[in-house]
Amino acid sequence: TQLLEQSPQFLSIQEGENLTVYCNSSSVFSSLQWYRQEPGEGPVLLVTVVTGGEVKKLKRLTFQFGDARKDSSLHITAAQPGDTGLYLCAGEARNTPLVFGKGTRLSVIA
Amino acid sequence: NAGVTQTPKFRVLKTGQSMTLLCAQDMNHEYMYWYRQDPGMGLRLIHYSVGEGTTAKGEVPDGYNVSRLKKQNFLLGLESAAPSQTSVYFCASSPTGLAGRVGTQYFGPGTRLTVL
Repeated sequence: TQLLEQSPQFLSIQEGENLTVYCNSSSVFSSLQWYRQEPGEGPVLLVTVVTGGEVKKLKRLTFQFGDARKDSSLHITAAQPGDTGLYLCAGEARNTPLVFGKGTRLSVIA
Repeated sequence: NAGVTQTPKFRVLKTGQSMTLLCAQDMNHEYMYWYRQDPGMGLRLIHYSVGEGTTAKGEVPDGYNVSRLKKQNFLLGLESAAPSQTSVYFCASSPTGLAGRVGTQYFGPGTRLTVL
């Protein structure tokens, strides 16, 4: 069974601070997806990383896929209250459903 | 384009009652999924479908049944509800990806089910 471990589980920071969320596995994935879920809604895709070592930027969010395609990180610069939510990583292996991590719940306080 | 819709949004059942959750997508996606989300447990896959008329078990299929009679609809049934099935249920769909990849999953807004 492929597992994705996310850390930390909870994170509460002040507006303007930087943070990094981690997604780790002992399995190799063909791609890693990051989703954000706001209260009362379904998850929404932020980014997909495919190539080992790949870095993608989405405004203040930077996503990295590990060289061995077993881990990924999400770095947020100068966090804002609008970044509050549950961040989920999901690993894709060929011909199998996505495997989701348990998520990191981020709270950004103004 | 409504995307993925789920019916109902909320439901309260008594133990032993049955119900069906309906998921509909208008994006012509091949793949559809049912997940449950519980505090501290993340999203767990219940059943999924890779095309009309097909279904497969996910991580936590016991106590649930599904049907995909039409490409745009995916139904999740609880034959005899138990308190352990209290959860938020999400439906998702995705297009067929390249070289066997799944692609982006598009989620519905969720159904909050309470079993007393």
